[in-house]
Amino acid sequence: DAKTTQPPSMDCAEGRAANLPCNHSTISGNEYVYWYRQIHSQGPQYIIHGLKNNETNEMASLIITEDRKSSTLILPHATLRDTAVYYCIVPTRGSARQLTFGSGTQLTVLP
Amino acid sequence: EPEVTQTPSHQVTQMGQEVILRCVPISNHLYFYWYRQILGQKVEFLVSFYNNEISEKSEIFDDQFSVERPDGSNFTLKIRSTKLEDSAMYFCASSEEGHLRGGYTFGSGTRLTVV
Repeated sequence: DAKTTQPPSMDCAEGRAANLPCNHSTISGNEYVYWYRQIHSQGPQYIIHGLKNNETNEMASLIITEDRKSSTLILPHATLRDTAVYYCIVPTRGSARQLTFGSGTQLTVLP
Repeated sequence: EPEVTQTPSHQVTQMGQEVILRCVPISNHLYFYWYRQILGQKVEFLVSFYNNEISEKSEIFDDQFSVERPDGSNFTLKIRSTKLEDSAMYFCASSEEGHLRGGYTFGSGTRLTVV
């Protein structure tokens, strides 16, 4: 498995960009990076995924370093509703459908 | 926006009793999953299901667990003889495609309390 490392917690001011880092130094060439979030014990919510190019959707942007050993999820204008645990996931090798959640980063958006 | 619906939102059961947790996946999705989260712990994969068969299951998903798609809309998780340690949030998810790149949609969960 490609292990991921995330800071346990971060704060961000409302309206500012939230930049959530993730290290995945053992990722292999064809493994994707996925980001999900979980708002206060609700079901996890898919945010974005990427392989090597930067990706953007209506929720966030994903920046992956050229060596693919780390990535950053960017919420461009964080709101109070973005307070959640954010999970960076590199799926279990050999399992096409299984998400392995770690401890994630607790992002708190402050008013 | 389409949702995965789970019922009940909270279930309390006595140890040793059978429980059935119900899920209505998104209508055009073909792949279904159950995950659980014990209070204060990580979200854990239980099982994936496609074409009326289990595709993958974790070590947690032992003989006391079973899944079924009894009709065209429901997807159920049965726990045959509940134990105290089965107390957790159980999340159902579905996806249109059979790989992670399609993104999974999770329901809001059923909180199971075994007493």
